[in-house]
Amino acid sequence: DAKTTQPNSMESNEEEPVHLPCNHSTISGTDYIHWYRQLPSQGPEYVIHGLTSNVNNRMASLAIAEDRKSSTLILHRATLRDAAVYYCILRDSANAGGTSYGKLTFGQGTILTVHP
Amino acid sequence: NAGVTQTPKFRILKIGQSMTLQCTQDMNHNYMYWYRQDPGMGLKLIYYSVGAGITDKGEVPNGYNVSRSTTEDFPLRLELAAPSQTSVYFCASSYGGVGNQPQHFGDGTRLSIL
Repeated sequence: DAKTTQPNSMESNEEEPVHLPCNHSTISGTDYIHWYRQLPSQGPEYVIHGLTSNVNNRMASLAIAEDRKSSTLILHRATLRDAAVYYCILRDSANAGGTSYGKLTFGQGTILTVHP
Repeated sequence: NAGVTQTPKFRILKIGQSMTLQCTQDMNHNYMYWYRQDPGMGLKLIYYSVGAGITDKGEVPNGYNVSRSTTEDFPLRLELAAPSQTSVYFCASSYGGVGNQPQHFGDGTRLSIL
């Protein structure tokens, strides 16, 4: 499985933008880049995903490097509710017996602290 | 929208006891997954299913069993509980297994084996 590397922790102030980096130098051509976040005592929550082009949704933006070896999750205006562990994951469409099962491989993630 | 529902939310078991963790989803997703998360760690895949009647092992299947008789339900069975199975268990589902399909997670079952 292709691995991702993220900083252990980052801090931000409320209402400021946050840029969360992720390195994935061994990404394959068919791997999608997914971001999930996990708030305290909750299950992971899907944030955004992309393949080659930058993506925007109501939660965040995803900027993908041209060589796809790195990406950045952008929270445009951090709020206290954005304090969570953020996981950058390459969605593996591995075949098992000919059936794709697309497991998620979670690393340690980045702990985001948001200060009021 | 209920999404993915897990029961119970908390449970304490004695060593050697058995129990079933329930997971149900109302999104008509074919793919379902069970993960465990140990303190301070990321999630690890226990079992997965690509449709009713089809299941397979993930990274850490020992000590667990699953079944998938309907599209909606994917229970996880612990036989002979051991302290090493103390963890938070998350169930997830997705429409498909290809790379552009997000997974939707339940809120977890916190299990302690004493």
